[in-house]
Amino acid sequence: QITLKESGPTLVKPTQTLTLTCSFSGFSLSTSGEGVGWFRQPPGKALEWLANFYWDDDTRYNPSLKSRLTISKDSSKNQVVLRMTNMDSVDTATFYCARERISMIRGPNWFDPWGQGILVTVSS
Amino acid sequence: QSDLTQPASVSGSPGQSITISCTGTSSDIGTYNYVSWYQQYPGKAPKLMIYDVNKRPSGVSDRFSGSKSGNTASLTISGLQTEDEAHYFCSSYAGSTTLPFGGGTKLTVL
Repeated sequence: QITLKESGPTLVKPTQTLTLTCSFSGFSLSTSGEGVGWFRQPPGKALEWLANFYWDDDTRYNPSLKSRLTISKDSSKNQVVLRMTNMDSVDTATFYCARERISMIRGPNWFDPWGQGILVTVSS
Repeated sequence: QSDLTQPASVSGSPGQSITISCTGTSSDIGTYNYVSWYQQYPGKAPKLMIYDVNKRPSGVSDRFSGSKSGNTASLTISGLQTEDEAHYFCSSYAGSTTLPFGGGTKLTVL
């Protein structure tokens, strides 16, 4: 069974850096074809893809947020970490991580399963 | 404003069929056969229902089906059940550094 779970602060102040951890089990990021993606969803709004990390250390970023994002992995702990700098109130959202198993094409493409999500509020 | 366009809401009665559309461009849906659909209940994580336009992950009911024509993809749910009431989001492969999503459609089962 594959599971993912997000962890990190639920409240950050404007201008601070957000660091979120995705802890997963049931697959290995050392295995060819595996990837983990991060997403966010502001309350009542649509999903937005943020970044991907692949088994071969390839990383992909949403161009509109690339300057603020860093995605990395800790293989020893089966974790993928996302950092987002200069947080603002408009960044308040539920953040999700999800697994991407490459099939026909390297993504970002489709993701399954997803973590439960973590609501991050940006407020002073 | 989302990259892909979905109707804000659709509704149907139990047992009926409904279709949710997802309109993109020639840069995404129109070029690639990699459309996916997600179901999301309030306060819950998205669940993959369809990938690669019309493929169902293991465990997803065959009442859910997907299709595509030109720049528009569709999700059809047949034999509506009350448990199908949720939000549905579409997305499409569009290159190595982007993944457009639709704004989401709220399905109400009357």
